[in-house]
Amino acid sequence: DVVMTQSPLSLPVTLGQPASISCRSSQSLVHSDGNTYLNWFQQRPGQSPRRLIYKVSNRDSGVPDRFSGSGSGTDFTLKISRVEAEDVGVYYCMQGTHWPLTFGGGTKVEIK
Amino acid sequence: EVQLVESGGGLVQPGGSLRLSCAASGFTFSSYWMSWVRQAPGKGLEWVANIKQDGSEKYYVDSVKGRFTISRDNAKNSLYLQMNSLRAEDTAVYYCARDLRVLSKWGQGTLVTVSS
Repeated sequence: DVVMTQSPLSLPVTLGQPASISCRSSQSLVHSDGNTYLNWFQQRPGQSPRRLIYKVSNRDSGVPDRFSGSGSGTDFTLKISRVEAEDVGVYYCMQGTHWPLTFGGGTKVEIK
Repeated sequence: EVQLVESGGGLVQPGGSLRLSCAASGFTFSSYWMSWVRQAPGKGLEWVANIKQDGSEKYYVDSVKGRFTISRDNAKNSLYLQMNSLRAEDTAVYYCARDLRVLSKWGQGTLVTVSS
């Protein structure tokens, strides 16, 4: 199985400051169809997960443009340009290239 | 608006069975792969199973193979997860999600507790 490793586990951030989450996969996530199926999800406290970014860098409708995704191959990053209070929660990366689909362990974003 | 509403969770004894349902609305259900993902209390996310648009292909995580069965009824816009031989480690919130590799939309989840 492809192992997804996120860092850091916990990320205390000052409001208005940037934040960055790393996600590394144990194998390349480039699919034979040419796509890289690396997705990012946000789970606010008490809520179900919500997709923010799909295929590395495509932002979902309604997701603020302060969220951005980048990376290639086995190394990926989710960035929040200026953290707001509503961004508190756990962020997960997920690979959809290889079976079984696997998630990173999560990064908890909290306000300092 | 896309909506996925899970139901059928509850308390069940080890070795018991439960059938989860997911009612879909706001999109053409028959055009999408569908998935089940679970989350044990206080833990991360684990993909469980998914099913092709016409039900002809199904995939499962190893830990549930032979015990869980995913199915769908396109006429009723519904997704199901039949869970047999349940174990304590199956205790989790179960989410249904739309799509194969990108899990675009998620339901609110239903809690399954396996305990004596």
